Amino acid sequence: GESVGLHLPTLSVQEGDNSIINCAYSNSASDYFIWYKQESGKGPQFIIDIRSNMDKRQGQRVTVLLNKTVKHLSLQIAATQPGDSAVYFCAENSANTGNQFYFGTGTSLTVIP
Amino acid sequence: DVKVTQSSRYLVKRTGEKVFLECVQDMDHENMFWYRQDPGLGLRLIYFSYDVKMKEKGDIPEGYSVSREKKERFSLILESASTNQTSMYLCASSFPLVTEAFFGQGTRLTVV
Repeated sequence: GESVGLHLPTLSVQEGDNSIINCAYSNSASDYFIWYKQESGKGPQFIIDIRSNMDKRQGQRVTVLLNKTVKHLSLQIAATQPGDSAVYFCAENSANTGNQFYFGTGTSLTVIP
Repeated sequence: DVKVTQSSRYLVKRTGEKVFLECVQDMDHENMFWYRQDPGLGLRLIYFSYDVKMKEKGDIPEGYSVSREKKERFSLILESASTNQTSMYLCASSFPLVTEAFFGQGTRLTVV
């Protein structure tokens, strides 16, 4: 089966610092990646996505970097705020998995005021 | 605003009961998914459907079945609930091309 994992289960950062959350994947055929944010008691919410023909994509305060050589994905959050405290999941999808999404186990981000 | 709505936020059921979890989406999505979420295990796919009356097993289908009679509705059925099915259940939907999935708010099911 697919394997999508995260390097660290928890991450604590000071408010205002930048956060980096990492993710590794094993399927070299993966062609679409998403980062989701899940706040306590809620379902996952889409943050940003990237396709395999790109190395970097930026959104509002977030950047996703994709390194296909080492099958690694990262989410960078600039000027982290208390509202960013949540669990972050990476997910991958590829045409050869029949539109199934495979998720990592999640990293819990805590922002210290 | 796009919406995936799960019928219950919290459910408590007894062992052996038949349990129905309902999910409705208003985005005209072809694909719908049921996941369960457990601490340390992330989201695991139970079943998904890519069209009305179509279904495919995910990674952990045992003890579950699904029904999709209408495009907007996808039901997860626990035929005979067991305590190891205590979990958070998440429904999601998406368009058929490789694109983002939208999630419901989740149903926390406790089987006692």
